[in-house]
Amino acid sequence: DAGVIQSPRHEVTEMGQEVTLRCKPISGHDYLFWYRQTMMRGLELLIYFNNNVPIDDSGMPEDRFSAKMPNASFSTLKIQPSEPRDSAVYFCASSFYKETQYFGPGTRLLVL
Amino acid sequence: AQTVTQSQPEMSVQEAETVTLSCTYDTSESDYYLFWYKQPPSRQMILVIRQEAYKQQNATENRFSVNFQKAAKSFSLKISDSQLGDAAMYFCAYRKSGNTGKLIFGQGTTLQVKP
Repeated sequence: DAGVIQSPRHEVTEMGQEVTLRCKPISGHDYLFWYRQTMMRGLELLIYFNNNVPIDDSGMPEDRFSAKMPNASFSTLKIQPSEPRDSAVYFCASSFYKETQYFGPGTRLLVL
Repeated sequence: AQTVTQSQPEMSVQEAETVTLSCTYDTSESDYYLFWYKQPPSRQMILVIRQEAYKQQNATENRFSVNFQKAAKSFSLKISDSQLGDAAMYFCAYRKSGNTGKLIFGQGTTLQVKP
């Protein structure tokens, strides 16, 4: 079975532009998580979904960030407008029920 | 709030030798899960091993094993017969049992394997 798929793998954009990160979880998994990794803050949970419903978005840094999960096989994380401090690696992870989370390869975002 | 601490920013080990990475955590919960994830230079997060707090037996996966001390809130990872491919950053993570799926990560330990 394919693992968690993320796209794009790398994104370079200019400040003020909209950025959309995409994730396809492992088939059959009912939990989906978005994490951000930076040197300063390490790995931090942004938001997670259960059965396509957002459960906890307390980690979303500000209103510029939004996430959706329109169906069980697709989720997006959008940043609008983007800022240089948003530069990070963004990971998507999925799990079945409360079992182990499996991570995607990450999207490395650079905002100039 | 739960916290996870990895006090060793960097470790090194000679190929074929054994190394132990330390992790401590703070929680008032009695039921939880602990994990070690590996992050090689590719940045992919790979699950190494998982431990359920209710299990007294330490988890083992091939060359990887843990020393889980619940009373001391300690969860160390032992890598035996180290290989060059083990070089990576290792993260200890905690998750409370229950409704939340939130993983709380430590700061990470960079492991260097010397040939």
